[in-house]
Amino acid sequence: NAGVMQNPRHLVRRRGQEARLRCSPMKGHSHVYWYRQLPEEGLKFMVYLQKENIIDESGMPKERFSAEFPKEGPSILRIQQVVRGDSAAYFCASSRQGGIYEQYFGPGTRLTVT
Amino acid sequence: GESVGLHLPTLSVQEGDNSIINCAYSNSASDYFIWYKQESGKGPQFIIDIRSNMDKRQGQRVTVLLNKTVKHLSLQIAATQPGDSAVYFCAENIRTADGLTFGKGTHLIIQP
Repeated sequence: NAGVMQNPRHLVRRRGQEARLRCSPMKGHSHVYWYRQLPEEGLKFMVYLQKENIIDESGMPKERFSAEFPKEGPSILRIQQVVRGDSAAYFCASSRQGGIYEQYFGPGTRLTVT
Repeated sequence: GESVGLHLPTLSVQEGDNSIINCAYSNSASDYFIWYKQESGKGPQFIIDIRSNMDKRQGQRVTVLLNKTVKHLSLQIAATQPGDSAVYFCAENIRTADGLTFGKGTHLIIQP
């Protein structure tokens, strides 16, 4: 039973470029969460999605960041015009149901902005 | 500020001893708590969870204790092994929110 898949594992972008991070949830899971982790810190919630719906984006920066979870294919976290402060590890988690159920995390995408 | 925090950033224990990692939370609306283990370069790995209607839950070599009176959560690891070396995070879920709120983590170091 495959776990949460994320790709790429490492992504290097120059300032001003776009970054696209992909996440495929565990089989049977239809709830996806994105988190960001800065060095030496805990994870910060960004957005919660179900298929074709953004349920909660209270943790997303207002500009340059967007997320989607289409009917077919992986969830995408998109960062436009990246800046050095966007350098972080981005983790995706999935759960079988929303609410108070365990979330299982992927290996993360480490974004470096040069 | 952070809803969930940890008392110690680093905990060093002898191999074979029991480890206790503590966590304090401030939001009384939190009703679900999870402990995650994160090894260097990897994603958080689910260890054990507990709901607010429980005081204690046991897994394989791990026990989570919840004291709602003082808003305190702890993770006990029995007979600590070298493979237990990692950063441990507690996380909480608030009924009205969707994402988990994480603390900063405790780095568990195993001494041979």
